[in-house]
This record gives sequence, structure tokens and C-alpha cells, in this order.
Amino acid sequence: KAGVTQTPRYLIKTRGQQVTLSCSPISGHRSVSWYQQTPGQGLQFLFEYFSETQRNKGNFPGRFSGRQFSNSRSEMNVSTLELGDSALYLCASSLGAGTARMAFFGQGTRLTVV
Amino acid sequence: AQTVTQSQPEMSVQEAETVTLSCTYDTSESDYYLFWYKQPPSRQMILVIRQEAYKQQNATENRFSVNFQKAAKSFSLKISDSQLGDAAMYFCAYSGGSQGNLIFGKGTKLSVKP
Repeated sequence: KAGVTQTPRYLIKTRGQQVTLSCSPISGHRSVSWYQQTPGQGLQFLFEYFSETQRNKGNFPGRFSGRQFSNSRSEMNVSTLELGDSALYLCASSLGAGTARMAFFGQGTRLTVV
Repeated sequence: AQTVTQSQPEMSVQEAETVTLSCTYDTSESDYYLFWYKQPPSRQMILVIRQEAYKQQNATENRFSVNFQKAAKSFSLKISDSQLGDAAMYFCAYSGGSQGNLIFGKGTKLSVKP
């Protein structure tokens, strides 16, 4: 069974640009959550999607958005990039909503904003 | 709000010895899960062990075991017979109620000396 796949693995963007990251969950998993990991703030929850609906959202500005498709794949978008958005973005998949009881993570996308 | 605290930023252990990583948490919920995740340099978050709050018995996975003290809100991880491959960042995490997201501690960097 394939694991959680995040693309791209690495990304370099310029301030003010926008970026889209992709996450393909484990087959059969319908919930996808996104996390931002930085040295200063640690791991912070961005949002959770289940059945194409955002179920839960962390404390991030509106520049951070996401969506989920009918095949459960998810994308997150960051508009008007700032230097502070440089981080490792991790995606986690689980079977159903509210089931962080068994979340599997991808290898992450390393975003560098210059 | 729920919080997770790891008070040891770094720990070191000799190969084949035992080490204990500490974690405390705060919550008013009665139904929740606690986790230890390992993040090696590859950045992949790997679930090490999971504990359901309603279970009194401490979880065990091979060389990894936890000491879950519900009243004290403490959840420590014991690694026995430490191996070089155990060197990584270890994160304690909480998931409660119907929330689908994980709340992470700041992590403990574990070094294993040969």
C-alpha cells in the first residue's frame, strides 16, 4: 500500500508569489490534515479536510487555504508569500473525520521563501 | 485550550541503554489519545506508539513503552536497548474529542552514542 505522497519535495519561491502544495493520502483514507513545521513555532495545525469539506482550521491568516478533491487528494495554497512562510509543510492522512487516532504523515514539502 | 509540553530539548543515551523522554499535557476532555512520533533527518513523521486515555494499561511496541499517568497528565516514552537508528526528534502529541488534529510538543532531540 502506497504511503502519503507530497509533491513537490522542495520549493523555492519569492516573496509576494503564491504556491500550491499537493498531498495524496493513503488509498481509502478520506481525511487529510496539513501542518506547518518551523524551528521557532514547532508543528502547528493548518486545516483538516474530510469529504471535500474543511472540518477544522488552525490559527493561520486567510492567505493559507486548502481544498480536497473527490479522490481525497488535497492541495494547500499560500498566497502573497512572506519570508516567515518558509517551513516544512506536512500532510497527514487518516481513515475518517476526527480520527487523528491513526494519522500517517508524508515526507513533507520544504518551502523556502526568498 | 489543550497544550503539550516536552521539557527536555535534547537527550543523549548510550547504545544498548535505556532512555526516558518526558511529556506533560493539559486538557479538560475525558476522551483523548496521546502519541509519540519520531522524526528522523529524512523528516518523515513516524508513529512510534499510541495510548488511548480510557485504557489504564500502558501501551508497548517492542522496545518502546509508555508510562501513562492520567491524573498527573504525564506521558513519558521509554526506549529500551537503544539503537543508533533511534536517533531522531521525538514529538509527543495529543488528539482529543472529535477534533481531527494533533497538538504537538516542541520535541526532544535524541542522540545515541555508539
